[in-house]
This record gives sequence, C-alpha cells and structure tokens, in this order.
Amino acid sequence: AQSVAQPEDQVNVAEGNPLTVKCTYSVSGNPYLFWYVQYPNRGLQFLLKYITGDNLVKGSYGFEAEFNKSQTSFHLKKPSALVSDSALYFCAVRDPLPAGSYQLTFGKGTKLSVIP
Amino acid sequence: NAGVTQTPKFQVLKTGQSMTLQCAQDMNHNSMYWYRQDPGMGLRLIYYSASEGTTDKGEVPNGYNVSRLNKREFSLRLESAAPSQTSVYFCASSHSTSYEQYFGPGTRLTVT
Repeated sequence: AQSVAQPEDQVNVAEGNPLTVKCTYSVSGNPYLFWYVQYPNRGLQFLLKYITGDNLVKGSYGFEAEFNKSQTSFHLKKPSALVSDSALYFCAVRDPLPAGSYQLTFGKGTKLSVIP
Repeated sequence: NAGVTQTPKFQVLKTGQSMTLQCAQDMNHNSMYWYRQDPGMGLRLIYYSASEGTTDKGEVPNGYNVSRLNKREFSLRLESAAPSQTSVYFCASSHSTSYEQYFGPGTRLTVT
C-alpha cells in the first residue's frame, strides 16, 4: 500500500529566507510524486511532479523539489520565500504497481507561513 | 477555458436528504476524480473515472454514488446525507491517471 507523510503541520519562515517543506513516501514500485498548493477557500493547484529522470525538478512560482530514493523523500524547496507563498502545501504519491491502480494518496498538508 | 467547474459552491442539507454535486471540465481530460477534504485528514479519494464509461471506488466510497455522464462531466450523488458527510468536496481531472490532476474550486457541504 502506498502512503505519504508530511511530518510538519506548520512551517514558519522569514521572508527572503529559504524554505523547505518535507515529504516522505512509501510505495512498492517507483513512485510518481507531486506537490500541490492550496490557498484559502480555493482548490488545489499543481506545482510540480517527479515521474522519472533528473532528481531535481523545477515547478511553478520558483519552487523545486528533490527526489531522494534512498531516503524515500521528496522535499519542496524555494531559495527565497515570499509572503504570498503562505498557503497549505500537499505532497501526493502514486504507486504505478499493481498495474491498473490509479489512486493518488495525499499527505495531510503542511501550513506554510512566511513572516514579513 | 474555465478548467474544472463545480456546482454548487455551498450547500446545507438535512440528514436524510439527497443531492448531486456537479463537475465539468473543458480540458478534454480522460480521467476525473472526486475527493473530500476534512481538517487534518488531507484529501481522500471517493470515486474516480479513469476514462469515459468507467468508474471505480476510491478510499472512502460508502454513502456516495457517481456517474460519468460523458467525457466532460462527472457527478457525485449523496442518496441519504449524514452529518459525517459534512466536508469540502473537490472534483479533479487529468489527461490520464499518470498525469497531474487539476482541481475545481470545491463545494462546501454541511449536513445538519
């Protein structure tokens, strides 16, 4: 069974500082990994994904994430945080095995607050 | 190009009432999904439709039914609403089940 964990309910960071939002996963096969962001009273917006290839993936709004197979992690990062980055962030994983399994499993979310 | 649209935005039901949540996408996506979001629980998949003409149960299907009306539309029905179904419901779509999903704005449902 696939699972994903976001160990921090909340992350606080000062504006201009680098930010990291952590995600670890558990799957049987090679994972498909995603990050989404949710602003208040809005739906989720896709940020970036890792399917295969380069372990460092770049996404929208200056975000990037690093896939680390040995640590089963997919942490979201940004070099310089903006106040407008304050939102709820979700990591999600899909295990392509068994074939025909399509379920995407989401973490519980991490609330990011960027302090001016 | 509106993306994924959902109606209604808000709904209050009494226990035992029924209702249908509507979802439509204009991105020519093959796959569509229904999730519920509860505080501290993340998103949980209720049902999905990998392609037109197919539907499958997700993690929390009890108390719900779905219809993939055509390629664009995927509805979620609550036959007899219960207070435990108070939640925010999101519809999503993707090109296929291997690709990123795009979400609608959500329906906030309260069952009293």
